Amino acid sequence: AIQLTQSPSSVSASVGDRVTITCRASRDITTDLAWYQQKPGKAPTLLIHDASNLPGGVPSRFSGSGSGTDFTLTISSLQPDDFATYYCQQFNNYPLTFGGGTRVEIK
Amino acid sequence: QVHLVESEGGVVQPGGSLRLSCATSGFTFSRYGIHWVRQAPGKGLEWVAYIRFDGSNKFYLDSVKGRFTISRDNSKNTVHLQLTSLRAEDTAIYYCAKGGVASFEYWGQGTLVTVS
Repeated sequence: AIQLTQSPSSVSASVGDRVTITCRASRDITTDLAWYQQKPGKAPTLLIHDASNLPGGVPSRFSGSGSGTDFTLTISSLQPDDFATYYCQQFNNYPLTFGGGTRVEIK
Repeated sequence: QVHLVESEGGVVQPGGSLRLSCATSGFTFSRYGIHWVRQAPGKGLEWVAYIRFDGSNKFYLDSVKGRFTISRDNSKNTVHLQLTSLRAEDTAIYYCAKGGVASFEYWGQGTLVTVS
């Protein structure tokens, strides 16, 4: 199975900060990567698909980049609504797998 | 508007069985694959199973192969996940999710299955 390693596992940041989360795949997954946001007690929501594409309704402060094995989720200016846990996920091969998650906390 | 609603989970003894359902609306169900994803209490997300739009292909997490069965009824816009030989480590919130462009495009609210 393809392993996804996210870092950091948690980050403390302030409103307005730029936050970067990385996701490394154990082998080449081209751009078959999605990012999700999850708030406590809620289902995850899709932020980015195909490594860098934002679905409609996702704020433009979120961006994704990367291909192959190294990927990045960036929040350009952290907002109060962004404090949550973020997961990457690969769609390249079954079994589909998720990264371990990154918790973004208030500093 | 797209909606996915999981049936109520419950408490099951080890070795027991449970059938989860995912009722959908707001999209052409017969054109999309559906996934099940679970999350153990306080843990991360784990993909469990997938069924293709026409039911012709199914994939499972290794640890549930032979114990869980995914199926769909395109006449009722519903997907089922039959859980058998349940173990304590199957305790989790189970979500169904609509397959999208290389992603889980929409998710249900989740249902808690407790094996104890």
